[in-house]
Amino acid sequence: GESVGLHLPTLSVQEGDNSIINCAYSNSASDYFIWYKQESGKGPQFIIDIRSNMDKRQGQRVTVLLNKTVKHLSLQIAATQPGDSAVYFCAEFLLYSSASKIIFGSGTRLSIRP
Amino acid sequence: ETGVTQTPRHLVMGMTNKKSLKCEQHLGHNAMYWYKQSAKKPLELMFVYSLEERVENNSVPSRFSPECPNSSHLFLHLHTLQPEDSALYLCASSQEEGSGANVLTFGAGSRLTVL
Repeated sequence: GESVGLHLPTLSVQEGDNSIINCAYSNSASDYFIWYKQESGKGPQFIIDIRSNMDKRQGQRVTVLLNKTVKHLSLQIAATQPGDSAVYFCAEFLLYSSASKIIFGSGTRLSIRP
Repeated sequence: ETGVTQTPRHLVMGMTNKKSLKCEQHLGHNAMYWYKQSAKKPLELMFVYSLEERVENNSVPSRFSPECPNSSHLFLHLHTLQPEDSALYLCASSQEEGSGANVLTFGAGSRLTVL
């Protein structure tokens, strides 16, 4: 069946280093992917998205890479800061489908070492 | 502030109580959602309202009753809950049209504890 999985439940990174959070998906028909960030006491916040016709998309300090061959998605955070501490979710769905079809992963908790 | 406001932020209730969670969105979106977030589990979709009509009900127990009086407000009425219903309840909204990229905007959630 459809699933979105995260390779690691927790990730610890030294402040200033780059962080890489990985995600695997199983539905090869999915054509839209989103990364959300959820800080303690808050709801998930949109970070960046990517459509399946792209391999890479960059935002401010964040880059999402999509490898459709192996159905793998990653979120790279450059120069990780204490404010990046959060749980990161990937999500997949089909464009033009209802948001009810969004499949969320379990999340990876990113912690920053000073 | 995301534009989606949930109240109360924290709620403790007994199994025989009746309470309601409220969500209000100030984004002009046409769809609203209730999600349940439990520890170490993916987000679970509970209800979807599009243009104030319920379009999805993911086999949620009848002790959870949603209400969407208009496109800006969404309620989740709770009665005779069980301890396993303790979780963070997230409201979200989206604009279901246009680019086809249906991005959800979430509220901060209502943390529910059932004793």
